[in-house]
Amino acid sequence: DAKTTQPNSMESNEEEPVHLPCNHSTISGTDYIHWYRQLPSQGPEYVIHGLTSNVNNRMASLAIAEDRKSSTLILHRATLRDAAVYYCILRGPMSGGSNYKLTFGKGTLLTVNP
Amino acid sequence: DTEVTQTPKHLVMGMTNKKSLKCEQHMGHRAMYWYKQKAKKPPELMFVYSYEKLSINESVPSRFSPECPNSSLLNLHLHALQPEDSALYLCASSRGGLAGDSTDTQYFGPGTRLTVL
Repeated sequence: DAKTTQPNSMESNEEEPVHLPCNHSTISGTDYIHWYRQLPSQGPEYVIHGLTSNVNNRMASLAIAEDRKSSTLILHRATLRDAAVYYCILRGPMSGGSNYKLTFGKGTLLTVNP
Repeated sequence: DTEVTQTPKHLVMGMTNKKSLKCEQHMGHRAMYWYKQKAKKPPELMFVYSYEKLSINESVPSRFSPECPNSSLLNLHLHALQPEDSALYLCASSRGGLAGDSTDTQYFGPGTRLTVL
């Protein structure tokens, strides 16, 4: 299985940008990079995904390295409500053998200070 | 409506009890999932239903028995559980079935926190 590596924890201040890194050096050409987050006492929620190009949506931006061996989730202005565990997940036919599977790693616990 | 609902929110049961967890979605999604999450660990996939048929069982013990009565509803029947089965049980759904592509988003419910005494 293609694996991802994330820092265990990161800290940020409110209203400042946050860059959450993810390494995936064994990514295959057909793997999509997905990010989910899990707020305290809630189920995971989808944040963003991408394949090669950088992506933006209302929640965040995803910056993908040119060689695709790493990516960064960018929260442009962190709020207290962004405190969560952020999971970087690879999905594709070669990642666990199927498209359907979300294989969660340990993720990064983001703390946002007021 | 992008909501997946789960009931009950909390459940305490003895090892000899039989109980059921319920999950519902009205997004017309064709795949539904059960995940198990132990404290301070990431979620782990248990079962996948695709078009109301059990498609994936991730080697889950038979004391967990899933059921998909219709396309909107997913149950997890519990019997003779052990204290180590105490966890947060998460339900999710996604638009496509197992043939769904790698961009298919999974929508999660808030989970049922199960305690087995």
